[in-house]
Amino acid sequence: AQSVTQLGSHVSVSEGALVLLRCNYSSSVPPYLFWYVQYPNQGLQLLLKYTSAATLVKGINGFEAEFKKSETSFHLTKPSAHMRDAAEYFCAVSGLGRGGADGLTFGKGTHLIIQP
Amino acid sequence: DAGVIQSPRHEVTEMGQEVTLRCKPISGHDYLFWYRQTMMRGLELLIYFNNNVPIDDSGMPEDRFSAKMPNASFSTLKIQPSEPRDSAVYFCASSPDTAEAFFGQGTRLTVV
Repeated sequence: AQSVTQLGSHVSVSEGALVLLRCNYSSSVPPYLFWYVQYPNQGLQLLLKYTSAATLVKGINGFEAEFKKSETSFHLTKPSAHMRDAAEYFCAVSGLGRGGADGLTFGKGTHLIIQP
Repeated sequence: DAGVIQSPRHEVTEMGQEVTLRCKPISGHDYLFWYRQTMMRGLELLIYFNNNVPIDDSGMPEDRFSAKMPNASFSTLKIQPSEPRDSAVYFCASSPDTAEAFFGQGTRLTVV
């Protein structure tokens, strides 16, 4: 079984500041890990994914995440926040190492607020 | 590709009525998933199909919920009878058997 914990249901940063969204996972098998973004009244869009290759993963819109097995973490970062980054962010894990094979287990989400 | 297409985008129905949500996955994707999103429980996997066959329906909350996939290009999620606590956003997603799921825009269901 797998689970995901996202620390902080709301995170507020100033425009231009560093964005850090935290995600810790639990999985009994080597995980595949994902970050999705959801804009209001929209579906989920994949930001980036870790599939056991490089531990530092770069995604779209300037986001990146680092897989740290020792910390069971997959935190999402962006060096400089932009107003358009305001959205809901979800961390997800797939337990069988194939994101499509058994569905994704999602965290509760973090609402990112960008202050002008 | 048009992506995963869900219909309707919004549905308002009265308690006790039957509701049918529809999904057209991306062509060539072998997996199809139904998720439900609520404020209280977040995103929950309800059921998923592989090559049109239901594989795991352990997330379906009650017998009032049923899902079918008669062919590779169409799936339905039915609630009969509907209840106010079924109000949520229902997402369909498909996957080509790689480490990524592609989501539709969702159907916002309101049961009054």
